[in-house]
Amino acid sequence: AQSVTQLGSHVSVSEGALVLLRCNYSSSVPPYLFWYVQYPNQGLQLLLKYTSAATLVKGINGFEAEFKKSETSFHLTKPSAHMRDAAEYFCAVSVFGLHGKLTFGQGTILTVHP
Amino acid sequence: GAGVSQSPSNKVTEKGKDVELRCDPISGHTALYWYRQRLGQGLEFLIYFQGNSAPDKSGLPSDRFSAERTGESVSTLTIQRTQQEDSAVYLCASISPGPNTEAFFGQGTRLTVV
Repeated sequence: AQSVTQLGSHVSVSEGALVLLRCNYSSSVPPYLFWYVQYPNQGLQLLLKYTSAATLVKGINGFEAEFKKSETSFHLTKPSAHMRDAAEYFCAVSVFGLHGKLTFGQGTILTVHP
Repeated sequence: GAGVSQSPSNKVTEKGKDVELRCDPISGHTALYWYRQRLGQGLEFLIYFQGNSAPDKSGLPSDRFSAERTGESVSTLTIQRTQQEDSAVYLCASISPGPNTEAFFGQGTRLTVV
């Protein structure tokens, strides 16, 4: 079985501050891990994914995430937040690539204030 | 079109009525997911289709829910005798083949049961 826990349903940062969105996973086999972003009134968009290659993954819009097996974590970071980063972010896990269930976390709403 | 298309985009129905939601995946994508996103909650897995294999229906919440997919084309999600708790956004995702697989999401169908 696989599961994802996102710590913090809401995160608020100032523009220019570090963004850190936390994700811990549980999987019985080496996982594939994903971060998706959902802007208001839009569909989900892939930010980045980990597929057992480099543990530090760079995605779109300046985001990156680091796979840490020892901590079963895949936290999402961005050095400097922009107003346009305000959205809901979902962490997801899958085993055997995408040939199986893609399990999502509950989501974290990121608010960026001036 | 180039993306995953879902219809209708919005549906308001009376309690007890049946509804059918449609998903047109990206051409050539063999795998397809349906998810449900209730207000303020994460994505809830419903069903997964992979080619000609038997679908993974483990996420369907009750026997009022069913889904079909013909080959690698259109999928329909049917909800019979709708209840108010069925109100949610229903998301479809199709999966690109090959080693660099990715899930592409449609914009969703917002279902409101009154």
